[in-house]
Amino acid sequence: DQQVKQNSPSLSVQEGRISILNCDYTNSMFDYFLWYKKYPAEGPTFLISISSIKDKNEDGRFTVFLNKSAKHLSLHIVPSQPGDSAVYFCAASRTSGYALNFGKGTSLLVTP
Amino acid sequence: DTAVSQTPKYLVTQMGNDKSIKCEQNLGHDTMYWYKQDSKKFLKIMFSYNNKELIINETVPNRFSPKSPDKAHLNLHINSLELGDSAVYFCASSQDYGTGAGELFFGEGSRLTVL
Repeated sequence: DQQVKQNSPSLSVQEGRISILNCDYTNSMFDYFLWYKKYPAEGPTFLISISSIKDKNEDGRFTVFLNKSAKHLSLHIVPSQPGDSAVYFCAASRTSGYALNFGKGTSLLVTP
Repeated sequence: DTAVSQTPKYLVTQMGNDKSIKCEQNLGHDTMYWYKQDSKKFLKIMFSYNNKELIINETVPNRFSPKSPDKAHLNLHINSLELGDSAVYFCASSQDYGTGAGELFFGEGSRLTVL
């Protein structure tokens, strides 16, 4: 049973515009959420995280929003750059000693 | 200097064979993991070791046996390989486990193809 869902397998955005990647989760016990970025033939790399005590976390061009009541989080990239083209994985866990549960990933293509 | 390295990167083998994938991390982390990314692209946890002790063992067939000789190494041995074992296997590490795994550092992945 997939507890973290990324329902959009792909997204195409023009350079300079905003990219919005969405993620839903089903387990109300999750209280720590992360986004990972993956280029082809490489392992995923950590991008940004948020704990359930916050509803927003920002790091440069990347902002993650958390809506606990809707069990939904999103990653905003502004402005999008061609180098952002990658697969983005949403992940979630409980903070007390549980492994990360990953979504299926969304492939982002930023076109010049 | 690669933080999490796994070998081999590619492995093609016949059904029924036994194979191993090695993983080493030089980050000084206490916890290491094996994840499997199948053809549907899901990244699923298989095992987790904290200081050489098994913490998580998901519903993985016992043909898969992880071995952690020290906290910097977590190897994956697979017996009697089956077609369904074809996947990309990612090793990862994190500083600790008690705080929800936190940031994972992944290796580049090992693509296993079973013919």
